[in-house]
Amino acid sequence: DAGVTQSPTHLIKTRGQQVTLRCSPKSGHDTVSWYQQALGQGPQFIFQYYEEEERQRGNFPDRFSGHQFPNYSSELNVNALLLGDSALYLCASRRTRATGELFFGEGSRLTVL
Amino acid sequence: KQEVTQIPAALSVPEGENLVLNCSFTDSAIYNLQWFRQDPGKGLTSLLLIQSSQREQTSGRLNASLDKSSGRSTLYIAASQPGDSATYLCAGPRAGNQFYFGTGTSLTVIP
Repeated sequence: DAGVTQSPTHLIKTRGQQVTLRCSPKSGHDTVSWYQQALGQGPQFIFQYYEEEERQRGNFPDRFSGHQFPNYSSELNVNALLLGDSALYLCASRRTRATGELFFGEGSRLTVL
Repeated sequence: KQEVTQIPAALSVPEGENLVLNCSFTDSAIYNLQWFRQDPGKGLTSLLLIQSSQREQTSGRLNASLDKSSGRSTLYIAASQPGDSATYLCAGPRAGNQFYFGTGTSLTVIP
């Protein structure tokens, strides 16, 4: 049973560029959420997708956008990158009508120069 | 907004000690509470989930309790091992919604 998988694991971008991060949820999971984790901090909620729609959004600007596909996989897009966007981006999945236990992937480490 | 606090921020113990990590939250409407482990530069590994109707959960040397009325959860680790060294995070959502995380407790177990 594959867990949550994310790609790429590491990437380096320059200010102003755009990035796309990808996530495949754990088998049987239909809700995907994205978190940003700065060094030394706890993860901060970006948004959550269910049935291909954004259901809830945290305190992040519109430069952060996402998508969920019919197979429940998801993408996180960040436009006009800033130095402060450098962080570990974590994808998490769960089954909507189950215990609500959240499972995370290994993350994508984004460095903005 | 849910505020989650974890105390202590860092902890160093000799191998074999029993220890307790604390998590407090401001919103008693928290639905579940979940404890995670994070190794440096890695993702989060789920350790224990305490559902809304439960008071505690156990898995091996780990035991977590939840007291929603006081806004507290504790994670008890028995007979600590060097392999337990990691950052431990607690998090909980309001029903169906985003998880709010603490900043974690960095644990070092000295052989």
